[in-house]
Amino acid sequence: NAGVTQTPKFQVLKTGQSMTLQCAQDMNHEYMSWYRQDPGMGLRLIHYSVGAGITDQGEVPNGYNVSRSTTEDFPLRLLSAAPSQTSVYFCASSYSARAHEQYFGPGTRLTVT
Amino acid sequence: AQSVTQLDSQVPVFEEAPVELRCNYSSSVSVYLFWYVQYPNQGLQLLLKYLSGSTLVKGINGFEAEFNKSQTSFHLRKPSVHISDTAEYFCAVSMNRDDKIIFGKGTRLHILP
Repeated sequence: NAGVTQTPKFQVLKTGQSMTLQCAQDMNHEYMSWYRQDPGMGLRLIHYSVGAGITDQGEVPNGYNVSRSTTEDFPLRLLSAAPSQTSVYFCASSYSARAHEQYFGPGTRLTVT
Repeated sequence: AQSVTQLDSQVPVFEEAPVELRCNYSSSVSVYLFWYVQYPNQGLQLLLKYLSGSTLVKGINGFEAEFNKSQTSFHLRKPSVHISDTAEYFCAVSMNRDDKIIFGKGTRLHILP
């Protein structure tokens, strides 16, 4: 099993550009989530999904969209990048949110200039 | 809403000395509690979790944590640290009635020779 994969590993965007961060898992997990990690802020939940076709907002959803058309994939879209979105983004998956270990991807380091 | 507070952003400790990393949470309902570790330039991996039952939970790499409901705490301890324990440690909480997992801001553990 590959576990949770994320692409790209690094990305530089200009302000106003859009892009999609890809996340895929091969463990048949129902729950998937996106976090951003900033120095001194820990991990903050952006969006999450409890299954295909179901998504919901986390703590910091503004400026991001998600969709979950399949169990395996959970892409994160930046609609119009801003310097405040410079961060490291982690995707995670688990059997459920409530009592199960989350498996994290290796992260995507995004810089917006 | 639930929240997680990690009281120390950085903890320096000499090699082979004991360490305690503190975590407090706020929630009026039953919770599930987790500690994750992030080694430099890597994603997060689970150290241990508390779901129910015994309040003392043992994890990987010699770490353990104690759930204290009256003090709403879940402190992480290790009796003797090694240089390889240098990492950032995150406390996380989820509730039985919610699908969000909320992380604390993290504690950087510095091992001094």
